[in-house]
Amino acid sequence: DAGITQSPRHKVTETGTPVTLRCHQTENHRYMYWYRQDPGHGLRLIHYSYGVKDTDKGEVSDGYSVSRSKTEDFLLTLESATSSQTSVYFCAITKSGNEQFFGPGTRLTVL
Amino acid sequence: KNEVEQSPQNLTAQEGEFITINCSYSVGISALHWLQQHPGGGIVSLFMLSSGKKKHGRLIATINIQEKHSSLHITASHPRDSAVYICAVESNFGNEKLTFGTGTRLTIIP
Repeated sequence: DAGITQSPRHKVTETGTPVTLRCHQTENHRYMYWYRQDPGHGLRLIHYSYGVKDTDKGEVSDGYSVSRSKTEDFLLTLESATSSQTSVYFCAITKSGNEQFFGPGTRLTVL
Repeated sequence: KNEVEQSPQNLTAQEGEFITINCSYSVGISALHWLQQHPGGGIVSLFMLSSGKKKHGRLIATINIQEKHSSLHITASHPRDSAVYICAVESNFGNEKLTFGTGTRLTIIP
């Protein structure tokens, strides 16, 4: 168990509303990632962080922002949710040796 | 063309059969990861390897860097092995980002 939790685990929201997903880790690992998983696509990187206040974009970052004000928390925000952002979102961390450990996922539905 | 290609996309086998899942990639890598995802479940790291072969229980992963190819083998397959197996590569740029294949859905029939 890598000590990663995600909240909420499920959310249904309406188009145009803001949504924030939280990833929390208990082991003070430096690297954290947000991915989305959609049928027919592999996991795709949205944003990642290599330390407090240090973040960078992934391959599908449009429409998403992130913040990391504490080592243990990495927040993903959809400023104005769209139906194309309906997906399963996974947070991950990298431990020593570069192995990635994933959170349980958040299923987001945008109506 | 995707950087990471897995085959087959779907695989159904009888319990006890020897299973092989393949992964090919097109970029230079520092490591390759194999992950497992059960239906409705989270994602678990099985192996990370940069050369040769690794074994854990009934699972074996091999990689051929020159051919840019990796295989995941399952011996004496069991219904509980039914899952999606995902290959991911870590580029050799040192930023620890992974590029994922679309996964192989394995179903083992009792």
